[in-house]
Amino acid sequence: QQQVKQSPQSLIVQKGGISIINCAYENTAFDYFPWYQQFPGKGPALLIAIRPDVSEKKEGRFTISFNKSAKQFSLHIMDSQPGDSATYFCAASKDNYGQNFVFGPGTRLSVLP
Amino acid sequence: KAGVTQTPRYLIKTRGQQVTLSCSPISGHRSVSWYQQTPGQGLQFLFEYFSETQRNKGNFPGRFSGRQFSNSRSEMNVSTLELGDSALYLCASSWTGISYNEQFFGPGTRLTVL
Repeated sequence: QQQVKQSPQSLIVQKGGISIINCAYENTAFDYFPWYQQFPGKGPALLIAIRPDVSEKKEGRFTISFNKSAKQFSLHIMDSQPGDSATYFCAASKDNYGQNFVFGPGTRLSVLP
Repeated sequence: KAGVTQTPRYLIKTRGQQVTLSCSPISGHRSVSWYQQTPGQGLQFLFEYFSETQRNKGNFPGRFSGRQFSNSRSEMNVSTLELGDSALYLCASSWTGISYNEQFFGPGTRLTVL
């Protein structure tokens, strides 16, 4: 019940296209859902996050869509660029403190020029 | 502002040895979390410290331990190393450790156990 599922495992998109990564969770106690971006040799960096009281959050080219009833959330990257090529992780947390995040297995995104 | 620093960046040990990894959080951050990242298991939470106290612990054996000092710097120790402990160990810091406080990750320490 602690698991967060993520798909696809890898994704290839043309420059200018839309990248979509999906995640699903089971534990309804989760109340914070961040997305992280990780480049080779670097630690993950927070990209965008959402709380379950909203269905969508947009920051620049990145949008999270959240479906509470389906227990699913997704990351949309509009106008994908080669510089977006990285591994993306969704995560979920139910603790008010403790930074105890459960991460999805990751999606390796390649944006072709 | 300096980011999260981790030392050493790379480490090679043999089975049975022990290892200590160090993490210096961003100045002013009081919460430090540790994660293990492997290709097979992904990112897994080890533990979190706040004001020198362990507040949260993941599902790892007692061979994995940590501590935090009064200046918020943290160390992680793994005793009796096993081959399966080979991984990237990531440290992350945040102001208070509340889940929606952004946590900033360091570059990690790559541990190889032979």
